Amino acid sequence: AQSVTQLGSHVSVSEGALVLLRCNYSSSVPPYLFWYVQYPNQGLQLLLKYTSAATLVKGINGFEAEFKKSETSFHLTKPSAHMSDAAEYFCAVRPLGDTDKLIFGTGTRLQVFP
Amino acid sequence: DTEVTQTPKHLVMGMTNKKSLKCEQHMGHRAMYWYKQKAKKPPELMFVYSYEKLSINESVPSRFSPECPNSSLLNLHLHALQPEDSALYLCASSQDRTGDPTQYFGPGTRLLVL
Repeated sequence: AQSVTQLGSHVSVSEGALVLLRCNYSSSVPPYLFWYVQYPNQGLQLLLKYTSAATLVKGINGFEAEFKKSETSFHLTKPSAHMSDAAEYFCAVRPLGDTDKLIFGTGTRLQVFP
Repeated sequence: DTEVTQTPKHLVMGMTNKKSLKCEQHMGHRAMYWYKQKAKKPPELMFVYSYEKLSINESVPSRFSPECPNSSLLNLHLHALQPEDSALYLCASSQDRTGDPTQYFGPGTRLLVL
């Protein structure tokens, strides 16, 4: 069965530092891939998505992610963290051919220190 | 516009109460979803509606009863809930089963069962 692994349940960075949140999926066929952000007491907001077009995907709030088929990875990065980036981040996969289900990773909580 | 709205924002109910959660989208999406999210966990899929028909029920207890009155509305009727049902309930929508797989989430209803 398809699965998603997010390495690191907590990531802490200083304001202005690089943000790197890791996501690996298990599939022989590249699926659709998503990153969502969840701020406290809010719903999930789409950051960016990969749907078999460009492998480097740019999203909102300065985030981007690179799809690497050879590494089955879709890591999320941002060159310079802001305090407002502190939130929970979820990587999700929708396998090709499975028309309804999103498979979520366990999430990574990003803390940003001044 | 990628907005999904949910009401109420917060709900407190006793174990003998009957209440309903409401979700609405005006993006022309034909697939709608209910998720349950416990603290510090990813969302768990409960139900999927496709073209107003229930297509997936993830073995959810019968005390949760979904309803899709039309293509823009999704309800979740609650009856005789248990304290362990306390959670954030998220609604989402996507284009349909064959189009863009991106799911857009509402802000959620925070439910507390006493």
